[in-house]
This record gives sequence, structure tokens and C-alpha cells, in this order.
Amino acid sequence: DQQVKQNSPSLSVQEGRISILNCDYTNSMFDYFLWYKKYPAEGPTFLISISSIKDKNEDGRFTVFLNKSAKHLSLHIVPSQPGDSAVYFCAASASGTYKYIFGTGTRLKVLA
Amino acid sequence: DSGVTQTPKHLITATGQRVTLRCSPRSGDLSVYWYQQSLDQGLQFLIQYYNGEERAKGNILERFSAQQFPDLHSELNLSSLELGDSALYFCASSVAGGSFNEQFFGPGTRLTVL
Repeated sequence: DQQVKQNSPSLSVQEGRISILNCDYTNSMFDYFLWYKKYPAEGPTFLISISSIKDKNEDGRFTVFLNKSAKHLSLHIVPSQPGDSAVYFCAASASGTYKYIFGTGTRLKVLA
Repeated sequence: DSGVTQTPKHLITATGQRVTLRCSPRSGDLSVYWYQQSLDQGLQFLIQYYNGEERAKGNILERFSAQQFPDLHSELNLSSLELGDSALYFCASSVAGGSFNEQFFGPGTRLTVL
């Protein structure tokens, strides 16, 4: 049972345009969400997070939107840069569970 | 560099064997997490330790076990290995063990079972 789903395995975007990565979840107890970026041969690195009390969190070029009623979150990257090319994982956690559930990832390719 | 170290980087072994993966968390982090990433799969949470005690368990097989030592480093033991155990194994650490803590990941250990 995949509680966190990233239905797009890959995405290609032109440099300078917006990249939108999507993530859906099924467990309504999740109240904290994160995005991680992973380059080849490296471990995932934390990008941005959002608590369920918010619907938007912004950090530079990265913005995460949370739609609790739709159980959907998205990561917007504006403007996209070639260095953003990586695999992006969303993850979710429920208070008191001490663990994160990760999606299967979306491979973003930013074309120069 | 996240500050989390994992050894070895690569491991090739045969079915039925036993291996030990090692993780040293970031300085000051009390919590260690283990994840498995198989081909085209997401990160599957295996187990978490906080200050030497098991805190949470995920989809960890009975053939797998882990522990966290007094110096806070952790080891993941995989026994009776099967071909399907071939995967990347990541360790992550965080300051505390709660849900709202950013996890810092190591570079992973690639295990190949032949």
C-alpha cells in the first residue's frame, strides 16, 4: 500500500521555466511533508518542508503548496536551472510515528 | 557533505551470506534511520534508533536487524541474503527523534547479492 505517490516518474523542463512536481498521499494523519533532492551516487538532501497548518512555504526558488482536502502537495521551482536536474522525493510523516514515508521519486531534467 | 558517513560504499556478496553495514551520524545527532532503495523504488523506511533505543520500525525483514551503540554509530545486519536484497541502503540522522526533524542522509551503501 503506497501511502505517498509520485505518479510522474520523469519530467523535462526548459531552463528558466517553471518545474512543477506533484505528490499525492492517502493517509489523513500525515501532518508534515518534506521534499528531498537526490543526485546520482549521493544521498538525498533536504530541500523544503511544510506543516499541515500551512498551505504554502517558500524558500528562494522553491515553493511547496499543500492542499489538504485533495491530499496533494506540489513543489514549484522557478526559474528552473540545469543544476536542478535530479530525482525529487516527497515524504510525509504523522506526529508520534517517528518515521517518514517516501514516494518513488520524480526524475527532473532541466534542459539548457 | 551531510556529515553522515556510511561504510562500505559498495558490497558484493553471495546468496545466503551475512553482511554488516555501518553508519556514523552527524556530530550531535541522537537519532539514526535506515532506508532501503531498490531499483526504481522509493526509499523504504526500515528502522529508527534514538539514543541507543529502537524508536520505530518499518518494513524490515526478520532476517535484518540493527542496533545503535553508545557512541551513537549504528549497524544494520543483513543475513541469509537473497537476490532481492540487492539495493542501496541509506542511513540518515537527525538531532531528535520526532516527526518534525530534518533528516540528513549518508551517501549510501550499494549491496549486490549474486
